[in-house]
Amino acid sequence: GAVVSQHPSWVICKSGTSVKIECRSLDFQATTMFWYRQFPKQSLMLMATSNEGSKATYEQGVEKDKFLINHASLTLSTLTVTSAHPEDSSFYICSAREPRTGAASSYEQYFGPGTRLTVT
Amino acid sequence: QKEVEQDPGPLSVPEGAIVSLNCTYSNSAFQYFMWYRQYSRKGPELLMYTYSSGNKEDGRFTAQVDKSSKYISLFIRDSQPSDSATYLCAMSASGGTSYGKLTFGQGTILTVHP
Repeated sequence: GAVVSQHPSWVICKSGTSVKIECRSLDFQATTMFWYRQFPKQSLMLMATSNEGSKATYEQGVEKDKFLINHASLTLSTLTVTSAHPEDSSFYICSAREPRTGAASSYEQYFGPGTRLTVT
Repeated sequence: QKEVEQDPGPLSVPEGAIVSLNCTYSNSAFQYFMWYRQYSRKGPELLMYTYSSGNKEDGRFTAQVDKSSKYISLFIRDSQPSDSATYLCAMSASGGTSYGKLTFGQGTILTVHP
């Protein structure tokens, strides 16, 4: 159980275009999903927290108008990188958390396989 | 100072060795501690999860948390070449605006050679 998928697994786009990345929880409903980016040989940096049916909460320094997040259903969140630039090239990873009221294990997050974005 | 510090390694050990991976942290609000394994170009996979202080064992893996020292460890016994990966520690506070948010260490690159 607790499988999270991402699509696409890798994408190349031209500078100035937009690209959408999907994150799906396949066997559970995720009220909360998280988006991370990871540069080579570095750790995961949280970009934003996505809650179903409400606006995403962005971390300090992350441009909300550039990284658009939509969490339209309990199994799907999307990240759109708008007007992409080469410096946006990175590994983008989403995670989903199962809602388990009162359970300590509700802090467990399950990660997708990641999407490698290259902007040329 | 980063909230979570982890020695990036790289760490190279022979097959069968005991591996010790460690993280220190500065935020006393952290209550939940996790270890993830990440293979190259893949998403992290949850290995161990611990709440508050103490030990937890799962097969060849043992996680230890010492909240008084703000120090956590992951031990891998009888290490195998398939254990070669990057190991990330992650932590979360108990509530408020930090609810559910994970703070990661830098990751330690481990290679187990036959």
